Amino acid sequence: QKEVEQDPGPLSVPEGAIVSLNCTYSNSAFQYFMWYRQYSRKGPELLMYTYSSGNKEDGRFTAQVDKSSKYISLFIRDSQPSDSATYLCAMTAGVSSASKIIFGSGTRLSIRP
Amino acid sequence: SAVISQKPSRDICQRGTSLTIQCQVDSQVTMMFWYRQQPGQSLTLIATANQGSEATYESGFVIDKFPISRPNLTFSTLTVSNMSPEDSSIYLCSAAAQGHGYTFGSGTRLTVV
Repeated sequence: QKEVEQDPGPLSVPEGAIVSLNCTYSNSAFQYFMWYRQYSRKGPELLMYTYSSGNKEDGRFTAQVDKSSKYISLFIRDSQPSDSATYLCAMTAGVSSASKIIFGSGTRLSIRP
Repeated sequence: SAVISQKPSRDICQRGTSLTIQCQVDSQVTMMFWYRQQPGQSLTLIATANQGSEATYESGFVIDKFPISRPNLTFSTLTVSNMSPEDSSIYLCSAAAQGHGYTFGSGTRLTVV
């Protein structure tokens, strides 16, 4: 079993829809959770960074962490064609050099105009 | 969060030669990381580079093949040595800014012919 599981998609939704992206994980030591957006031929762009359980909102993006279920989500409201990209979840137990970041495999998202 | 400038953005190299990739961070960071990303795949950690100490390599990666320098808190280089076509990939550097998660450079797309 992988430490982090992420549905690879592809996921295709119409413009304006609410998008839900999810990851599950097995390591209860993970405390820091991140979502990245990666456009083709570009490096990953950090979208959301959360610590422990709870919600965090930034514009059209909301990140949720449920540590009891070992489940994290990224919601995109009012989705736009420019949101079409690959979304990677990532997590780590700490921010020291001994704590590696574990990435999901990425979900390809396409927003249809 | 930290902003990372990475160069070159792409290169085509002859087998047997070496390429050095540079990353400059706009703030001082303790840890920098080097990743490889194959097309359509997630990120694989090559090594962690801390200023003032030797880099720590992950299983499957060795210093002779991927020497790393970290001369100060804002700069690091990764060299891909004695290249073969199997080294064709995207190489990414990352830095951890405390409280702000991990950010990435824009990547170096390497093709070995």
